Amino acid sequence: GIQVEQSPPDLILQEGANSTLRCNFSDSVNNLQWFHQNPWGQLINLFYIPSGTKQNGRLSATTVATERYSLLYISSSQTTDSGVYFCAVPSKGAQKLVFGQGTRLTINP
Amino acid sequence: DAGVIQSPRHEVTEMGQEVTLRCKPISGHNSLFWYRQTMMRGLELLIYFNNNVPIDDSGMPEDRFSAKMPNASFSTLKIQPSEPRDSAVYFCASSLRRSEAFFGQGTRLTVV
Repeated sequence: GIQVEQSPPDLILQEGANSTLRCNFSDSVNNLQWFHQNPWGQLINLFYIPSGTKQNGRLSATTVATERYSLLYISSSQTTDSGVYFCAVPSKGAQKLVFGQGTRLTINP
Repeated sequence: DAGVIQSPRHEVTEMGQEVTLRCKPISGHNSLFWYRQTMMRGLELLIYFNNNVPIDDSGMPEDRFSAKMPNASFSTLKIQPSEPRDSAVYFCASSLRRSEAFFGQGTRLTVV
């Protein structure tokens, strides 16, 4: 099945810093989702981005489907950005989402 | 829309007891997914339904686990008998066909 790898596994930054999270996947996909799991465990949808670039406030995401990767950018980090960021892609020929292991982001004040 | 609704939010039960987790998907969505999250294995799919029909249950760990979707607005995941290794957070998600999936708040299950 499709493999999803995220990097880095952990990232610790000071408030105000910028960050880039990466998601590599092993096969062609027709969609990709980024989620933020907050400290209370909720999985919050950030982006649904099969290809191209999308922006939402301080966050943006770019997916280059032909090269099998996606990037999540967080600018001017705030402590509320802390948590685990997951990317997920559908398994080939199926609807089920396969998740990466996540990037744990810690923003210190 | 209220989003995907799961109940209970927390469940503590003794080994050997039956546990039933419940999920109400977003109205109009026709696909429903049950995931389990553990430290060791991350987020893994247990089973998913399209139009109330189970499509892929290859992730269900063993016969102690069963899932049903009697109608478009309700699904259950049952564990009988429960074991301590079943302790995890169980998420339900729904989507409209192959589009964006949305997750409920999860049920944190502890089996003692």
